[in-house]
Amino acid sequence: KQEVTQIPAALSVPEGENLVLNCSFTDSAIYNLQWFRQDPGKGLTSLLLIQSSQREQTSGRLNASLDKSSGRSTLYIAASQPGDSATYLCAVPGTGAGSYQLTFGKGTKLSVIP
Amino acid sequence: DGGITQSPKYLFRKEGQNVTLSCEQNLNHDAMYWYRQDPGQGLRLIYYSQIVNDFQKGDIAEGYSVSREKKESFPLTVTSAQKNPTAFYLCASSISLSRVNPQPQHFGDGTRLSIL
Repeated sequence: KQEVTQIPAALSVPEGENLVLNCSFTDSAIYNLQWFRQDPGKGLTSLLLIQSSQREQTSGRLNASLDKSSGRSTLYIAASQPGDSATYLCAVPGTGAGSYQLTFGKGTKLSVIP
Repeated sequence: DGGITQSPKYLFRKEGQNVTLSCEQNLNHDAMYWYRQDPGQGLRLIYYSQIVNDFQKGDIAEGYSVSREKKESFPLTVTSAQKNPTAFYLCASSISLSRVNPQPQHFGDGTRLSIL
């Protein structure tokens, strides 16, 4: 069964700092990996989706990488801003018969201090 | 502006009562999903639907029921059989339910259910 781990569980950084969030998964036979942002009391907003054939995806100050063989993905946030404060979740589809079913990590709660 | 609308934002349930959470999407997506989120835990799948009049149980379906009579709508009923219903409920949709090419899922803003 696929398991997704996100480390650290919480992170606090000063404004302007570059930072990296980590996501690891146990079954490397994934089709894609998705990063989401969740603000308190809100739903999930999709940030980036990386297909298994890709190694990186970029959107503005965000860059996500995927290393399937090692079961890892990172989300790099450049020049962090207080508005980036949120919980960041990664999710992967299952494999085999359950490939449509997303398995989520528990998230990293990011606080960017002005 | 396309998206997913969940209502109500907050819901309270009395003992022995069934309550229904609404989820509507205007994205023309075939697949829809219900997740439950508890503090400190990842999202867990309750039910999903590939197409109208079809739905399947997820990991934690006990105590819940769904219907999919229209493409746009996928309501979730939390029955009295669900003994610990207090949680944040999220509805999502995707273009299709593909095993070979899983599509990104788009989420609503959630409904927070509490017990009175």
